Amino acid sequence: GAGVSQSPSNKVTEKGKDVELRCDPISGHTALYWYRQSLGQGLEFLIYFQGNSAPDKSGLPSDRFSAERTGGSVSTLTIQRTQQEDSAVYLCASSPSRADEGWTSGNTIYFGEGSWLTVV
Amino acid sequence: RKEVEQDPGPFNVPEGATVAFNCTYSNSASQSFFWYRQDCRKEPKLLMSVYSSGNEDGRFTAQLNRASQYISLLIRDSKLSDSATYLCVVNEGSGGYQKVTFGTGTKLQVIP
Repeated sequence: GAGVSQSPSNKVTEKGKDVELRCDPISGHTALYWYRQSLGQGLEFLIYFQGNSAPDKSGLPSDRFSAERTGGSVSTLTIQRTQQEDSAVYLCASSPSRADEGWTSGNTIYFGEGSWLTVV
Repeated sequence: RKEVEQDPGPFNVPEGATVAFNCTYSNSASQSFFWYRQDCRKEPKLLMSVYSSGNEDGRFTAQLNRASQYISLLIRDSKLSDSATYLCVVNEGSGGYQKVTFGTGTKLQVIP
């Protein structure tokens, strides 16, 4: 597809279980972001991948959270031993970077529809 | 001081009114600026980029004031469909590496 694709769109899991959320960015976009948004709250930055550079993990809230990006394309966000406070929508976004095609006056970020996680 | 600050609102305005939002940013070296719109339980979507000279798209006007480090969004002739949360976005990066910061958003409710 032409946009950012995320799966699953909805996930209900039991407290203590691990979950994996997948993001397929727009083809050719080298920048990929994960954000978290709790109901009624703002976007919380989690992690940023840019090409082959070391990712910016400064937003990951605890060591239960990890993410990887294989082959510079698809990314997986993993939450281990889920807690109820992890319930939120997890949004993935991608953007071109200056070296990519599609750069104009700045890096427009395109979001997927999100993965809605409920921990019960 | 937060990197990007917005008044959370809500702004409740009647249809047809003009409403303006401001957003301040702390890093004077910030490179590019955007306004995003987020509808309830939806992902944010780009509304418009903000250019140094200011730019207009229909009823929407965005302006950048680098000296005072703020950007603004003006909506004229508000429609019910404009009800949403408006997110200010600042990109501090340059070259291939980006540092993007989202404001927490300003909620707009247009009432009949």
